[in-house]
Amino acid sequence: AQKITQTQPGMFVQEKEAVTLDCTYDTSDQSYGLFWYKQPSSGEMIFLIYQGSYDEQNATEGRYSLNFQKARKSANLVISASQLGDSAMYFCAMREGYGTGNQFYFGTGTSLTVIP
Amino acid sequence: GAVVSQHPSWVICKSGTSVKIECRSLDFQATTMFWYRQFPKQSLMLMATSNEGSKATYEQGVEKDKFLINHASLTLSTLTVTSAHPEDSSFYICSAGGTSGRGGDEQYFGPGTRLTVT
Repeated sequence: AQKITQTQPGMFVQEKEAVTLDCTYDTSDQSYGLFWYKQPSSGEMIFLIYQGSYDEQNATEGRYSLNFQKARKSANLVISASQLGDSAMYFCAMREGYGTGNQFYFGTGTSLTVIP
Repeated sequence: GAVVSQHPSWVICKSGTSVKIECRSLDFQATTMFWYRQFPKQSLMLMATSNEGSKATYEQGVEKDKFLINHASLTLSTLTVTSAHPEDSSFYICSAGGTSGRGGDEQYFGPGTRLTVT
Protein backbone atom coordinates (compact mmCIF):
# COMPACT_ATOMS: atom_id res chain seq x y z
CA ALA A 1 0.00 0.00 0.00
CA GLN A 2 1.11 3.53 -0.69
CA LYS A 3 2.40 5.34 2.36
CA ILE A 4 1.45 8.75 0.95
CA THR A 5 -1.34 9.40 -1.52
CA GLN A 6 -1.88 12.63 -3.40
CA THR A 7 -4.92 12.29 -5.63
CA GLN A 8 -4.70 15.62 -7.46
CA PRO A 9 -2.15 15.48 -10.27
CA GLY A 10 -2.90 19.07 -11.23
CA MET A 11 -4.70 22.01 -9.67
CA PHE A 12 -5.52 25.52 -10.83
CA VAL A 13 -6.26 28.46 -8.59
CA GLN A 14 -6.98 32.09 -9.23
CA GLU A 15 -4.44 34.53 -7.88
CA LYS A 16 -5.32 35.73 -4.34
CA GLU A 17 -7.65 32.78 -3.79
CA ALA A 18 -7.03 29.95 -1.33
CA VAL A 19 -6.34 26.39 -2.46
CA THR A 20 -6.24 23.04 -0.68
CA LEU A 21 -3.89 20.27 -1.77
CA ASP A 22 -4.92 16.85 -0.55
CA CYS A 23 -2.73 14.27 1.14
CA THR A 24 -3.59 11.04 2.90
CA TYR A 25 -1.14 8.76 4.60
CA ASP A 26 -0.91 5.21 5.82
CA THR A 27 1.09 4.10 8.83
CA SER A 28 0.68 1.94 11.88
CA ASP A 29 3.27 3.92 13.82
CA GLN A 30 2.09 6.19 16.61
CA SER A 31 4.99 8.57 16.13
CA TYR A 32 5.40 10.11 12.72
CA GLY A 33 5.92 13.43 11.02
CA LEU A 34 4.18 14.91 8.03
CA PHE A 35 5.84 17.40 5.73
CA TRP A 36 5.06 19.45 2.67
CA TYR A 37 7.69 20.47 0.16
CA LYS A 38 7.48 22.78 -2.83
CA GLN A 39 9.46 22.07 -5.97
CA PRO A 40 9.58 24.88 -8.52
CA SER A 41 10.78 24.31 -12.07
CA SER A 42 14.37 24.83 -10.93
CA GLY A 43 14.16 21.50 -9.15
CA GLU A 44 15.09 22.49 -5.62
CA MET A 45 12.97 21.06 -2.83
CA ILE A 46 11.75 23.78 -0.48
CA PHE A 47 10.46 22.82 2.95
CA LEU A 48 7.11 24.44 3.70
CA ILE A 49 5.53 23.04 6.82
CA TYR A 50 5.68 20.21 9.36
CA GLN A 51 3.09 18.47 11.53
CA GLY A 52 3.97 15.96 14.20
CA SER A 53 1.62 13.12 14.99
CA TYR A 54 1.26 14.28 18.58
CA ASP A 55 0.68 17.91 17.72
CA GLU A 56 -2.84 18.83 18.71
CA GLN A 57 -2.97 22.06 16.79
CA ASN A 58 -2.71 22.42 13.06
CA ALA A 59 0.63 23.75 11.91
CA THR A 60 0.82 27.16 10.27
CA GLU A 61 3.70 28.90 8.52
CA GLY A 62 2.76 32.24 7.03
CA ARG A 63 0.34 31.61 4.16
CA TYR A 64 0.65 27.84 4.59
CA SER A 65 -1.41 25.82 6.99
CA LEU A 66 -1.75 22.09 7.41
CA ASN A 67 -5.21 20.69 8.01
CA PHE A 68 -4.36 17.64 10.11
CA GLN A 69 -7.15 15.12 10.61
CA LYS A 70 -5.56 12.23 12.42
CA ALA A 71 -8.55 9.91 12.47
CA ARG A 72 -8.92 10.26 8.72
CA LYS A 73 -5.16 10.11 8.21
CA SER A 74 -5.16 13.23 6.14
CA ALA A 75 -2.75 16.15 6.09
CA ASN A 76 -3.99 18.64 3.55
CA LEU A 77 -2.01 21.75 2.72
CA VAL A 78 -3.89 25.02 2.52
CA ILE A 79 -2.30 27.93 0.74
CA SER A 80 -4.06 31.21 1.35
CA ALA A 81 -3.92 34.27 -0.91
CA SER A 82 -2.22 32.41 -3.77
CA GLN A 83 0.55 34.19 -5.61
CA LEU A 84 1.96 33.59 -9.07
CA GLY A 85 5.17 32.38 -7.45
CA ASP A 86 3.26 29.55 -5.82
CA SER A 87 3.05 27.76 -9.18
CA ALA A 88 5.12 24.62 -8.63
CA MET A 89 4.95 20.93 -7.76
CA TYR A 90 3.96 20.18 -4.19
CA PHE A 91 4.94 16.98 -2.43
CA CYS A 92 3.53 15.57 0.76
CA ALA A 93 5.91 13.38 2.74
CA MET A 94 5.92 11.28 5.88
CA ARG A 95 8.65 10.13 8.21
CA GLU A 96 7.83 7.23 10.51
CA GLY A 97 9.31 7.57 13.96
CA TYR A 98 11.75 10.28 14.88
CA GLY A 99 15.33 10.85 13.95
CA THR A 100 17.23 12.32 11.09
CA GLY A 101 18.19 8.87 9.86
CA ASN A 102 14.65 7.80 9.06
CA GLN A 103 13.67 7.86 5.43
CA PHE A 104 10.90 10.00 4.03
CA TYR A 105 8.08 8.62 1.95
CA PHE A 106 6.85 10.97 -0.77
CA GLY A 107 3.57 11.23 -2.59
CA THR A 108 3.33 11.55 -6.35
CA GLY A 109 2.92 15.30 -6.13
CA THR A 110 0.40 17.92 -7.20
CA SER A 111 1.20 20.46 -9.88
CA LEU A 112 -0.29 23.80 -8.86
CA THR A 113 -0.82 26.56 -11.39
CA VAL A 114 -1.81 30.01 -10.21
CA ILE A 115 -3.76 31.94 -12.80
CA PRO A 116 -3.44 35.72 -12.91
CA GLY B 1 18.50 27.15 7.89
CA ALA B 2 20.75 24.24 7.07
CA VAL B 3 22.33 24.18 3.65
CA VAL B 4 23.10 21.21 1.46
CA SER B 5 25.07 21.68 -1.72
CA GLN B 6 25.43 19.45 -4.73
CA HIS B 7 28.05 19.48 -7.41
CA PRO B 8 27.82 19.57 -10.33
CA SER B 9 24.39 21.08 -10.89
CA TRP B 10 24.27 19.58 -14.34
CA VAL B 11 26.48 17.25 -16.33
CA ILE B 12 26.51 15.78 -19.81
CA CYS B 13 28.56 12.67 -20.36
CA LYS B 14 29.06 10.06 -23.02
CA SER B 15 27.68 6.58 -22.72
CA GLY B 16 30.09 4.26 -20.96
CA THR B 17 31.78 6.89 -18.81
CA SER B 18 31.40 7.38 -15.06
CA VAL B 19 30.10 10.45 -13.31
CA LYS B 20 30.57 11.47 -9.68
CA ILE B 21 28.07 13.68 -7.87
CA GLU B 22 29.00 15.28 -4.56
CA CYS B 23 26.61 16.16 -1.77
CA ARG B 24 27.83 18.34 1.07
CA SER B 25 26.19 19.55 4.24
CA LEU B 26 27.68 23.00 4.64
CA ASP B 27 26.81 24.04 8.16
CA PHE B 28 25.91 20.88 9.99
CA GLN B 29 27.06 17.31 10.33
CA ALA B 30 24.98 14.67 8.65
CA THR B 31 25.36 11.11 9.86
CA THR B 32 22.83 10.02 7.28
CA MET B 33 22.29 11.28 3.77
CA PHE B 34 19.77 10.10 1.23
CA TRP B 35 20.03 9.86 -2.53
CA TYR B 36 16.97 10.20 -4.72
CA ARG B 37 16.27 9.97 -8.39
CA GLN B 38 13.50 11.90 -10.05
CA PHE B 39 12.12 11.50 -13.57
CA PRO B 40 10.26 14.39 -15.22
CA LYS B 41 6.92 15.12 -13.59
CA GLN B 42 7.32 12.23 -11.18
CA SER B 43 7.98 11.88 -7.50
CA LEU B 44 11.29 11.36 -5.78
CA MET B 45 12.41 7.77 -5.73
CA LEU B 46 14.71 6.83 -2.87
CA MET B 47 17.78 5.07 -4.23
CA ALA B 48 19.85 4.56 -1.13
CA THR B 49 20.55 5.65 2.39
CA SER B 50 24.12 6.68 2.99
CA ASN B 51 25.60 6.32 6.46
CA GLU B 52 28.90 7.87 7.42
CA GLY B 53 31.60 5.29 7.79
CA SER B 54 29.55 2.33 6.67
CA LYS B 55 28.08 0.79 3.55
CA ALA B 56 25.06 2.38 2.00
CA THR B 57 21.68 0.71 2.16
CA TYR B 58 20.17 0.39 -1.29
CA GLU B 59 16.50 0.21 -2.11
CA GLN B 60 15.16 -2.79 -3.93
CA GLY B 61 15.85 -2.65 -7.63
CA VAL B 62 18.76 -0.22 -7.39
CA GLU B 63 22.01 -1.68 -8.67
CA LYS B 64 24.65 -1.10 -6.03
CA ASP B 65 27.47 -1.84 -8.47
CA LYS B 66 26.18 0.80 -10.83
CA PHE B 67 25.38 3.50 -8.32
CA LEU B 68 28.33 3.62 -5.96
CA ILE B 69 27.81 5.61 -2.79
CA ASN B 70 30.54 6.72 -0.46
CA HIS B 71 29.97 8.64 2.76
CA ALA B 72 33.50 9.28 3.89
CA SER B 73 32.84 12.13 6.30
CA LEU B 74 30.02 13.73 8.23
CA THR B 75 29.71 16.45 5.61
CA LEU B 76 30.25 14.63 2.31
CA SER B 77 28.54 11.84 0.45
CA THR B 78 29.23 10.98 -3.18
CA LEU B 79 27.22 9.11 -5.77
CA THR B 80 29.11 7.67 -8.72
CA VAL B 81 27.15 6.50 -11.71
CA THR B 82 29.41 3.93 -13.33
CA SER B 83 29.33 3.08 -17.02
CA ALA B 84 26.48 5.48 -17.55
CA HIS B 85 23.88 4.82 -20.23
CA PRO B 86 21.14 7.05 -21.66
CA GLU B 87 18.55 5.43 -19.39
CA ASP B 88 20.53 6.76 -16.40
CA SER B 89 19.71 10.30 -17.50
CA SER B 90 17.71 11.81 -14.68
CA PHE B 91 17.60 14.39 -11.90
CA TYR B 92 19.53 13.20 -8.85
CA ILE B 93 18.86 14.82 -5.50
CA CYS B 94 20.55 14.27 -2.17
CA SER B 95 19.25 15.19 1.25
CA ALA B 96 20.52 15.22 4.78
CA GLY B 97 18.58 15.06 7.99
CA GLY B 98 18.59 18.07 10.22
CA THR B 99 16.64 19.72 12.96
CA SER B 100 14.84 22.90 12.13
CA GLY B 101 14.20 23.79 15.71
CA ARG B 102 10.53 23.26 15.07
CA GLY B 103 10.84 19.64 16.09
CA GLY B 104 10.45 18.32 12.62
CA ASP B 105 13.72 16.56 11.94
CA GLU B 106 13.17 17.61 8.39
CA GLN B 107 15.33 16.67 5.45
CA TYR B 108 17.34 19.41 3.80
CA PHE B 109 17.69 18.90 0.11
CA GLY B 110 20.49 19.74 -2.23
CA PRO B 111 19.63 21.67 -5.39
CA GLY B 112 19.90 18.53 -7.50
CA THR B 113 22.10 17.37 -10.36
CA ARG B 114 20.71 16.95 -13.83
CA LEU B 115 22.54 14.13 -15.60
CA THR B 116 22.29 13.66 -19.34
CA VAL B 117 23.99 10.68 -20.91
CA THR B 118 24.44 10.86 -24.68
